[in-house]
Amino acid sequence: EIVLTQSPGILSLSPGERATLSCRASQSVSGSYLAWYQQKPGQAPRLLIYGVSTRASGIPDRFSGSGSGTDFALTISRLEPEDFAVYHCQQYGSPPLTFGGGTKVEIK
Amino acid sequence: QVQLVQSGAEVKKPGASVRVSCKTSGYTFSNYALHWLRQAPGQRIEWMGWISAGSGNTKYSQKFQGRVTITRDTSASTAYLELSSLTSEDTALYYCARNLIGFDYWGQGTLVTVSS
Repeated sequence: EIVLTQSPGILSLSPGERATLSCRASQSVSGSYLAWYQQKPGQAPRLLIYGVSTRASGIPDRFSGSGSGTDFALTISRLEPEDFAVYHCQQYGSPPLTFGGGTKVEIK
Repeated sequence: QVQLVQSGAEVKKPGASVRVSCKTSGYTFSNYALHWLRQAPGQRIEWMGWISAGSGNTKYSQKFQGRVTITRDTSASTAYLELSSLTSEDTALYYCARNLIGFDYWGQGTLVTVSS
């Protein structure tokens, strides 16, 4: 099973700042099958990025994904008030599909 | 528009089984896989298994093998999750999600509470 470790656990930033979230896999993620989700309290996760770097439909271009192998990142270029939430990475290249423990982006 | 609507919250006693439904609309049901996941308080999201809505083939996480059954009713565009031999550790929010590349649509979640 591929274990995904996200860091930091909590990221305290102000609106307008840049956020960089990390996701490290215990072994190489095959086929670049790495996705990112945003989750707000009381809501289901929302797909942001799939295939490491492809934005899902309707996702603003301030969200970008990068990485390969075992190291991946989600960058939010300029935080908007609606971006404060929990972010999860997920690999879907090797069963069982697994998620990271999440990074909470909170208002500083 | 694509919608996945799940059944309501459940309270079960230890040792019981629970069945959660996921009614879909707004797309061709048989063209996509449907997955079931769960999120316990303070825990990471956990994948449980999936069903090919077209063929009915299933695959389960080894963690739940023997306790989980995923089925579908194509005439009702609905998928079902059944989990047996419940314990307090199964208390969680259960989600269905459509899979294309990543989980692009999710149900609203069904809270399952296991308590004596």
